[in-house]
Amino acid sequence: GQNIDQPTEMTATEGAIVQINCTYQTSGFNGLFWYQQHAGEAPTFLSYNVLDGLEEKGRFSSFLSRSKGYSYLLLKELQMKDSASYLCAVSDSNDYKLSFGAGTTVTVRA
Amino acid sequence: DAGVTQSPTHLIKTRGQQVTLRCSPKSGHDTVSWYQQALGQGPQFIFQYYEEEERQRGNFPDRFSGHQFPNYSSELNVNALLLGDSALYLCASSFQGAFSYNEQFFGPGTRLTVL
Repeated sequence: GQNIDQPTEMTATEGAIVQINCTYQTSGFNGLFWYQQHAGEAPTFLSYNVLDGLEEKGRFSSFLSRSKGYSYLLLKELQMKDSASYLCAVSDSNDYKLSFGAGTTVTVRA
Repeated sequence: DAGVTQSPTHLIKTRGQQVTLRCSPKSGHDTVSWYQQALGQGPQFIFQYYEEEERQRGNFPDRFSGHQFPNYSSELNVNALLLGDSALYLCASSFQGAFSYNEQFFGPGTRLTVL
C-alpha cells in the first residue's frame, strides 16, 4: 500500500504564498496528483507530476522529487477563494486506484 | 459536455437499511471508480469497474457491491448500513484507452447519513 503524508492545516494571509508538502511511499510510482476540494464538493484536478521538477500553471505550481518521495504544491498570490482542502494523491503502476492523503486545509485570512 | 453526474445528492437512511447510489461518467470515459470520504479524511478507494467487471477492490467489506452497465454508468450498493457508513461517496471516471496517466474526474458526490 501507499503511505501519503501531508500537514493537516495551514493558515496564510491574502496575497501571500503557501507551500503544502506531501511525502509518499509506493512500490511502483506512476504519477502524483494534486486536487482542490471545497467543503462539501468534489475534488477538482489541479496538477499532475510524473517526472522530477516543477510544473507551473498560473498561480499554482507543483514540484516532484521521485528519489525523495516528495512533492509540494505552491499557491501564490493567495485569494480568499483558495480556502479549501488540498489533496495529494499517488497513482501506482501496480494498480488502478488513486491513493489519497488526508488533505491539508488551507485557510486564507484577509 | 457533461461531466460526471451522481444521484441522489443527499440521502438519509437508518441502520440496517440498504442504499443504491448512481453515477454517470464523463462523456467518452469507460471506467468508473468509487471512493468513500469520511469527514476530514481523504477519499478511500472502494472499487473500480471496467468493461462491466469489478477490476480492483479496496479494503471494504462485501456489504459494498457495485455494477457497471453497458452505457458505462455505474451503481454502488451498500447493504446492512452501519453508522460508520455515513460519508461522502464520490464517483470518478477515466478513460482506460489512453492510459498515459490515471487522471480521474470526480462527480459532486452523494452525502449519505446513516441514523
